[in-house]
Amino acid sequence: QVQLVESGGGVVQPGGSLRLSCAASGFTFSSYGMHWVRQAPGKGLEWVAFIRYDGSNKYYADSVKGRFTISRDNSKNTLYLQMNSLRAEDTAVYYCAKDIRYFDVVVPAAFDYWGQGTLVTVSS
Amino acid sequence: EIVLTQSPGTLSLSPGERATLSCRASQSVSSSYLAWYQQKPGQAPRLLIYGASSRATGIPDRFSGSGSGTDFTLTISRLEPEDFAVYYCQQYGSSIFTFGPGTKVDIK
Repeated sequence: QVQLVESGGGVVQPGGSLRLSCAASGFTFSSYGMHWVRQAPGKGLEWVAFIRYDGSNKYYADSVKGRFTISRDNSKNTLYLQMNSLRAEDTAVYYCAKDIRYFDVVVPAAFDYWGQGTLVTVSS
Repeated sequence: EIVLTQSPGTLSLSPGERATLSCRASQSVSSSYLAWYQQKPGQAPRLLIYGASSRATGIPDRFSGSGSGTDFTLTISRLEPEDFAVYYCQQYGSSIFTFGPGTKVDIK
């Protein structure tokens, strides 16, 4: 079965950096786009970033553009999120999620599997 | 950027009742790019509906989605105890995904 396991969360000071990882199994990782989605404590969901199945295209929410970088290693079935210049408002549970679309299929667009999340706290 | 609005914010119903949740977009959304998720406390979200009306794998048929353009609806025909949760709609457009603020369905 599909499994997504995030790691790398923790407490970091404002202005600091953190790298999150998401280990994938149970599906052909290299055939699907992947996302990061976050949820601040007690708040709703916010999409953060997307990476195409082969890593060639990446898209970001305006709130993280220029500070966060999404990447993947298909040989290791692992997704990453490098977070720099962290701010208090980046405090959230970060989920990795699998895109439902296979390769370059255009429709539909949705996230069909999610990890359990890893908590990032930005605080001095 | 397309903004999604969900109503009501909270829906208080009893088990066995019908729930109707609304998601309204600030601009027209392709039906192919509208999805619904369920989230229970302490859990990750779960995909319920994609393409506005297609149920995801393993989702009971009491969940249904409908709508087009700027107005979409998630209907739960008869609430089961496990359906009390927060529901989010989501859209995709111009390489950006956005979520609505959510509707909480709680027990009356």
